[in-house]
Amino acid sequence: DGGITQSPKYLFRKEGQNVTLSCEQNLNHDAMYWYRQDPGQGLRLIYYSQIVNDFQKGDIAEGYSVSREKKESFPLTVTSAQKNPTAFYLCASSIWGQGDTEQYFGPGTRLTVT
Amino acid sequence: ILNVEQSPQSLHVQEGDSTNFTCSFPSSNFYALHWYRWETAKSPKALFVMTLNGDEKKKGRISATLNTKEGYSYLYIKGSQPEDSATYLCAFKERKSSASKIIFGSGTRLSIRP
Repeated sequence: DGGITQSPKYLFRKEGQNVTLSCEQNLNHDAMYWYRQDPGQGLRLIYYSQIVNDFQKGDIAEGYSVSREKKESFPLTVTSAQKNPTAFYLCASSIWGQGDTEQYFGPGTRLTVT
Repeated sequence: ILNVEQSPQSLHVQEGDSTNFTCSFPSSNFYALHWYRWETAKSPKALFVMTLNGDEKKKGRISATLNTKEGYSYLYIKGSQPEDSATYLCAFKERKSSASKIIFGSGTRLSIRP
């Protein structure tokens, strides 16, 4: 079954700790994305990667880091520098394009930092 | 940062009624417009990706139109059913932005009353 998996579904962390969210896809997609959703807001782009070993900052990259060592995997680290990390995080992937190809989304991870 | 507006924010419709809602985006430098359906506890799923002014796309009872010159897209649902209850997101791709990066609106939350 092809798709995108994110783990865990729920994550709880203490303030000041870094935490890594997992995203794996077996769709053979070149491009992968991380979005954040807060109540009443749309999806905001954190980071994206169009090819292995390359990634670009999105609109709200501060306090986050990513890596893209394998085509299938695009983990997101929420660092202690992120001022308001509690949110719902969605990972997506697409075939490489110019923004005219649909994105496929994972089930999301809800992160709570106290 | 580009502004993608969706209206209304939420909508309650009687089962069997038809409905529509709007996505507004900058009319200059248009490249593509995406529509996604996001059901509760599921992942967002693509409905349409539209690239040409005047495009009309249809999937079952759902259809969408695109006017790139005035910067809007309409999503129509004919004969609403309870399974249409979801948040509908649109996303805009600007021609001059980095490949693959799209900007999401905050969504229209549709509830169907049986």
